[in-house]
Amino acid sequence: DSGVTQTPKHLITATGQRVTLRCSPRSGDLSVYWYQQSLDQGLQFLIHYYNGEERAKGNILERFSAQQFPDLHSELNLSSLELGDSALYFCASSVVVTGTDTQYFGPGTRLTVL
Amino acid sequence: SQELEQSPQSLIVQEGKNLTINCTSSKTLYGLYWYKQKYGEGLIFLMMLQKGGEEKSHEKITAKLDEKKQQSSLHITASQPSHAGIYLCGADGVREYGNKLVFGAGTILRVKS
Repeated sequence: DSGVTQTPKHLITATGQRVTLRCSPRSGDLSVYWYQQSLDQGLQFLIHYYNGEERAKGNILERFSAQQFPDLHSELNLSSLELGDSALYFCASSVVVTGTDTQYFGPGTRLTVL
Repeated sequence: SQELEQSPQSLIVQEGKNLTINCTSSKTLYGLYWYKQKYGEGLIFLMMLQKGGEEKSHEKITAKLDEKKQQSSLHITASQPSHAGIYLCGADGVREYGNKLVFGAGTILRVKS
């Protein structure tokens, strides 16, 4: 158990809908990262928040947005969902803002868009 | 496109045999991470390497980062069924890759009893 929690574990929805994925980092970790894992793209970095502020963006679509709240939990919002958004979404957390600090991953949320 | 190349893509070994997985970067690595993933589950942190020539071991798994810091290898000694899974290398090159981890495509390991 990494100490990172994600809810829900599974999510099934229809195209065009909007969903929210939630992540609670390990106690004391200020950084939260979101990743998307799909069969064709592999594990791709989406976005990084540190202590409530966005620090880096990766291959995140404009239909997706995220935020980190004062209690440090984070939410990833996915809207106007398409079939291709079906994937495993992971969050990870680390203590500091820069790299060379181990990122601990949550169990993931499996999103299925029908 | 992938910035980290892992080889082999998949591997089937007999229980008790040794194996090596490689991870090659086209850019200098400032931090190299190895994770293990069971299919459909989260990533489990194995090891992090930063310095050229660094070698770390955990139980029967040893990882090395070469001197030029562009390649890492993961070696499993006397493989067991519990070693089966997907092994992913992730690179952190703050100056090169930005403030994120870039991952290889993964190596699928199956261990036959």
